[in-house]
Amino acid sequence: SQQGEEDPQALSIQEGENATMNCSYKTSINNLQWYRQNSGRGLVHLILIRSNEREKHSGRLRVTLDTSKKSSSLLITASRAADTASYFCATDAGTGANNLFFGTGTRLTVIP
Amino acid sequence: KAGVTQTPRYLIKTRGQQVTLSCSPISGHRSVSWYQQTPGQGLQFLFEYFSETQRNKGNFPGRFSGRQFSNSRSEMNVSTLELGDSALYLCASSSPASNTGELFFGEGSRLTVL
Repeated sequence: SQQGEEDPQALSIQEGENATMNCSYKTSINNLQWYRQNSGRGLVHLILIRSNEREKHSGRLRVTLDTSKKSSSLLITASRAADTASYFCATDAGTGANNLFFGTGTRLTVIP
Repeated sequence: KAGVTQTPRYLIKTRGQQVTLSCSPISGHRSVSWYQQTPGQGLQFLFEYFSETQRNKGNFPGRFSGRQFSNSRSEMNVSTLELGDSALYLCASSSPASNTGELFFGEGSRLTVL
């Protein structure tokens, strides 16, 4: 079974609004990553946050991590139509290896 | 620097056949991982190869196999195809020199089993 669950499953917002996606996972982790996938394409790495970090920023992205609640959130500020994609969180389940466990994904639609 | 290249991009097979998918990682990357993506099960880890050795394996039947060559290129094979094997198969590579844990994905091979 998958390591993570994401919420919401789908999100539709207007261009310029902020989008927040949440991810919950089940086991201890070394780090948590967020990936983006355009329809039917490969995944693109967005950001990685380590288990000893609580918040990280990259451009319009802000990621938080709460290891006590085993949850993370991804905030995209000032969204653009080009941000329309599916977003996945991925954890390493503490193994440190490259076998990531992906969440179910959030389908984000940004309406121009 | 070229990205991860997967071939073929699309293919159609019938039940009982076998298929081989190929992945060329980014130059210098020695780890190659394979994932299966389906609407029902999402993204699931198949296996990872590093320096021609399988380092990790997911929970898939023995019909799914892989290998890695000395140039780090990897292939995965699925034998005795079933309808449920229809999926997007994604390959990802990573650099051992990187401490970010970032995976670089190819565009995938979309397999349809009829």
